[in-house]
Amino acid sequence: DGGITQSPKYLFRKEGQNVTLSCEQNLNHDAMYWYRQDPGQGLRLIYYSQIVNDFQKGDIAEGYSVSREKKESFPLTVTSAQKNPTAFYLCASSIEVGTGELFFGEGSRLTVL
Amino acid sequence: GESVGLHLPTLSVQEGDNSIINCAYSNSASDYFIWYKQESGKGPQFIIDIRSNMDKRQGQRVTVLLNKTVKHLSLQIAATQPGDSAVYFCAENNPGGFKTIFGAGTRLFVKA
Repeated sequence: DGGITQSPKYLFRKEGQNVTLSCEQNLNHDAMYWYRQDPGQGLRLIYYSQIVNDFQKGDIAEGYSVSREKKESFPLTVTSAQKNPTAFYLCASSIEVGTGELFFGEGSRLTVL
Repeated sequence: GESVGLHLPTLSVQEGDNSIINCAYSNSASDYFIWYKQESGKGPQFIIDIRSNMDKRQGQRVTVLLNKTVKHLSLQIAATQPGDSAVYFCAENNPGGFKTIFGAGTRLFVKA
């Protein structure tokens, strides 16, 4: 079945450590996104990518980094510079940036101890 | 939509009743709107969409209404079922925009 796979589902990190969240899609979509969701709040855009080897900052990119070396993959690194990294992270894709529905993964919950 | 911080608007309905979830969107130039459903601990799922050249669109048990004059979007769920309990988000895209803007969400509780 086509879809988006995020891993790990749960992740615990000590302060000062970088962590990388995986996102893989087999929908053949050009556009991919990372969102952050905090309890009781909506989704905030971290980074997005229109195409392979291209990515742009969203609204809250500070303390995060991404890469897009393959169409299928868009990993997110939460760096030690992110001051409040505990959150639910959602990866999504769409056929093109800014058009059509977003297809979401199941999310990764990061907790900083 | 505007963020309401840690306290999501909540709607509680009796099983079998109709639900209406409202959303105020932010950009008068937005031309495409989507409703998503998010169950606890999962990613949002597409429910229904509507383009700005329409006022109403119906799906299976769901209807979306768009009022561009007051920048208002609503989602109607007919014969609400326990499985409809979730957080519902409206989202908007604007022409040439590179991102989807999400509202803060509404939590729907369905009482059996």
